[in-house]
Amino acid sequence: AQSVAQPEDQVNVAEGNPLTVKCTYSVSGNPYLFWYVQYPNRGLQFLLKYITGDNLVKGSYGFEAEFNKSQTSFHLKKPSALVSDSALYFCAVRRDSYSGAGSYQLTFGKGTKLSVIP
Amino acid sequence: ETGVTQSPTHLIKTRGQQVTLRCSSQSGHNTVSWYQQALGQGPQFIFQYYREEENGRGNFPPRFSGLQFPNYSSELNVNALELDDSALYLCASSLGQGLSGANVLTFGAGSRLTVL
Repeated sequence: AQSVAQPEDQVNVAEGNPLTVKCTYSVSGNPYLFWYVQYPNRGLQFLLKYITGDNLVKGSYGFEAEFNKSQTSFHLKKPSALVSDSALYFCAVRRDSYSGAGSYQLTFGKGTKLSVIP
Repeated sequence: ETGVTQSPTHLIKTRGQQVTLRCSSQSGHNTVSWYQQALGQGPQFIFQYYREEENGRGNFPPRFSGLQFPNYSSELNVNALELDDSALYLCASSLGQGLSGANVLTFGAGSRLTVL
């Protein structure tokens, strides 16, 4: 079984300050990790993914995430938050190897609501 | 290129009824998956279709069924609706053999189903 935990339901940050949205995961084998963002009445939009290689992954809109295998974490970060970053953020995990039907399902966390205060 | 489109955007049904939700994949994508997002929760995997066959299923009962058509569009059917089926249903498409864990999913805006 695989799972994702996003320990914070909500994160508030002032505009211009750095932001971090936390994510820890559990999966058999090596993980593929993803961050998606959801704006009101919109579907999920892909931000970035970790497959292998460099632990620091850069993505869209200035976001980056750091993969830490020992802590099984994949925290999302941005050096300077914008009001327009306010949205719902989802971390997701998938295993890297096939072991039967359903192996490639993407398992999401419950989401973290990010509010950037002007 | 067009993204993933879903219809209808909103619908209301009563318990026991049946519903069909539709999805058009992003151009060139050959794999479609469906997710259920209950209020305040993350999306939960329902199933995935590749080459018109279901090749993965989450923890959902058989009254949730689907189809994928030769043009890669898809339908999600839910029979005998229950109150707990009220949710946002998301369709996602991806490009690949359907068996690559690294594939990025492109999501539609969803169909919001309310069951009364």
